Amino acid sequence: GQQLNQSPQSMFIQEGEDVSMNCTSSSIFNTWLWYKQEPGEGPVLLIALYKAGELTSNGRLTAQFGITRKDSFLNISASIPSDVGIYFCAGQQGKTSYDKVIFGPGTSLSVIP
Amino acid sequence: DGGITQSPKYLFRKEGQNVTLSCEQNLNHDAMYWYRQDPGQGLRLIYYSQIVNDFQKGDIAEGYSVSREKKESFPLTVTSAQKNPTAFYLCASRWRGTGGEKLFFGSGTQLSVL
Repeated sequence: GQQLNQSPQSMFIQEGEDVSMNCTSSSIFNTWLWYKQEPGEGPVLLIALYKAGELTSNGRLTAQFGITRKDSFLNISASIPSDVGIYFCAGQQGKTSYDKVIFGPGTSLSVIP
Repeated sequence: DGGITQSPKYLFRKEGQNVTLSCEQNLNHDAMYWYRQDPGQGLRLIYYSQIVNDFQKGDIAEGYSVSREKKESFPLTVTSAQKNPTAFYLCASRWRGTGGEKLFFGSGTQLSVL
């Protein structure tokens, strides 16, 4: 079946540093969603992307829909301890509710104060 | 407040027992989903429902059952046929806007086997 790959698998960074992670696929997607999950909680939607080349920000977070439509990127600027968590990308190939949303395996982020 | 409510937060199952996980939403979303998450893993789709009285199997439906009698509610039953039920279960609903769609999640239920 379709798969999404995320890299890196885990990151350990110093507080204040910028973070970059990406999500790739061998298939084309029409929607990219980025989520953050903290231990024992459900994923929280950070950013949604719907058009190739789209660049969207949410505070210190910026995500981009790759122009090939096979990848997406998430950047976090000036990281803080509360950024700790697992970041998931999700993609949808179609545009209707009948098209499944597929999740990547996640990038685990640790921030050292 | 609008949102998705999952209960209970923690659930224990004895061998041979069926257990039901509750999911309620007041967002007026048509589509609802159940995902399973194992430690260190991504989310795998169990069942989904596009409208009331209709649901489809996801990628790992064996050992699970669902119903959708009301728009607001999508309970998941973990049956005794599910031999490895210990996992974190997440319910979600889908919002459709002018640009596209988004998936919103509840806070999850941790199921463990006694």
